[in-house]
Amino acid sequence: AQSVTQLDSQVPVFEEAPVELRCNYSSSVSVYLFWYVQYPNQGLQLLLKYLSGSTLVKGINGFEAEFNKSQTSFHLRKPSVHISDTAEYFCAVSENNNNDMRFGAGTRLTVKP
Amino acid sequence: EAGVVQSPRYKIIEKKQPVAFWCNPISGHNTLYWYRQNLGQGPELLIRYENEEAVDDSQLPKDRFSAERLKGVDSTLKIQPAELGDSAVYLCASSFGGYEQFFGPGTRLTVL
Repeated sequence: AQSVTQLDSQVPVFEEAPVELRCNYSSSVSVYLFWYVQYPNQGLQLLLKYLSGSTLVKGINGFEAEFNKSQTSFHLRKPSVHISDTAEYFCAVSENNNNDMRFGAGTRLTVKP
Repeated sequence: EAGVVQSPRYKIIEKKQPVAFWCNPISGHNTLYWYRQNLGQGPELLIRYENEEAVDDSQLPKDRFSAERLKGVDSTLKIQPAELGDSAVYLCASSFGGYEQFFGPGTRLTVL
């Protein structure tokens, strides 16, 4: 079965600085990859997804991620963060669209003024 | 378009009491999921429905947890009796045609 590892549990960063949240996955078959954001006391909101095609995926709120098959990674990046980006970010993987999505433990991004 | 609706948003109960959560998915979404999210962790699937049928309930603790999705729309998740370790956020999600799941705000359960 597939699994996800988010390499950083917490990432503090100053406002307007770039940020990268790291995600590695494990699977023996083709995968779909996702990044979700969770604001306090809210559900998860989809930031972006990789299904096929271009390995560079652009999402909402200025985020993007790059699928690297050889390194089994799907890191999330933003060139300049805002205070409002402070939230929990979850990487998730699904094998061959089998509706079985596995989530990482999450990375708490804290943007400081 | 209305999103996934869950109620209640918060619930505090004493251990050994029963509790139930309700979920109304996005209209037309045939797949419904219940997840449990422990503090500081990602969501973990409890059960997945395709229409009325539970197609994956391998992670549902069947001795105390039960779920139903009558008529393939709304769903309820029940715990009876609740234990201290059941304190968590219970998330409902729905999808149509697979892959992209839409999440509700969750129910935060505290068992005292």
